[in-house]
Amino acid sequence: KQEVTQIPAALSVPEGENLVLNCSFTDSAIYNLQWFRQDPGKGLTSLLLIQSSQREQTSGRLNASLDKSSGRSTLYIAASQPGDSATYLCAVSGGNEKLTFGTGTRLTIIP
Amino acid sequence: DADVTQTPRNRITKTGKRIMLECSQTKGHDRMYWYRQDPGLGLRLIYYSFDVKDINKGEISDGYSVSRQAQAKFSLSLESAIPNQTALYFCATSDPGTLAGELFFGEGSRLTVL
Repeated sequence: KQEVTQIPAALSVPEGENLVLNCSFTDSAIYNLQWFRQDPGKGLTSLLLIQSSQREQTSGRLNASLDKSSGRSTLYIAASQPGDSATYLCAVSGGNEKLTFGTGTRLTIIP
Repeated sequence: DADVTQTPRNRITKTGKRIMLECSQTKGHDRMYWYRQDPGLGLRLIYYSFDVKDINKGEISDGYSVSRQAQAKFSLSLESAIPNQTALYFCATSDPGTLAGELFFGEGSRLTVL
């Protein structure tokens, strides 16, 4: 059974710093991995999707990497801004319509 | 307007009542999903549908039923609500053929069962 872990559960950093969020998974036989952002009282917004054959994806200040062999993905946020404050979730797909979600990292950017 | 719309956004009900949560989408995607989110547990899949004639159970389907009325509409029903069904419910869509499985979520329906 796939298990997805995100540590730490909460993180606070000063504005302008670069930061890394971590996601680990137990079964390396994945189809893809997605990073989502969730704002309070809102739904999930897809940030980046990495296929199993890819090593990384970039969108603006965000860069997500994938290392299947070690069961890890990281989300790198450059030059953090207060608007980046949200909960970030990763989800792993086994290709059978079953997405396994982590419980998220709540990020606070301090102005 | 949102691409994936859920109604109601908030609902408080009593144990034993029947509840329906509705989802409609304008993305033209064939695949639709219902998830629930509980603190500390992450999102879990309740049901999913590949098209109007295809309904599949997820990992926590007991106590729930769904109806795919059209490509754009997918509703979730709780026939007799119980307090442990208090949660945040999300509808999502995807189109694996062109978007490699990327999921698009609605803004959620918060259900409280007293």
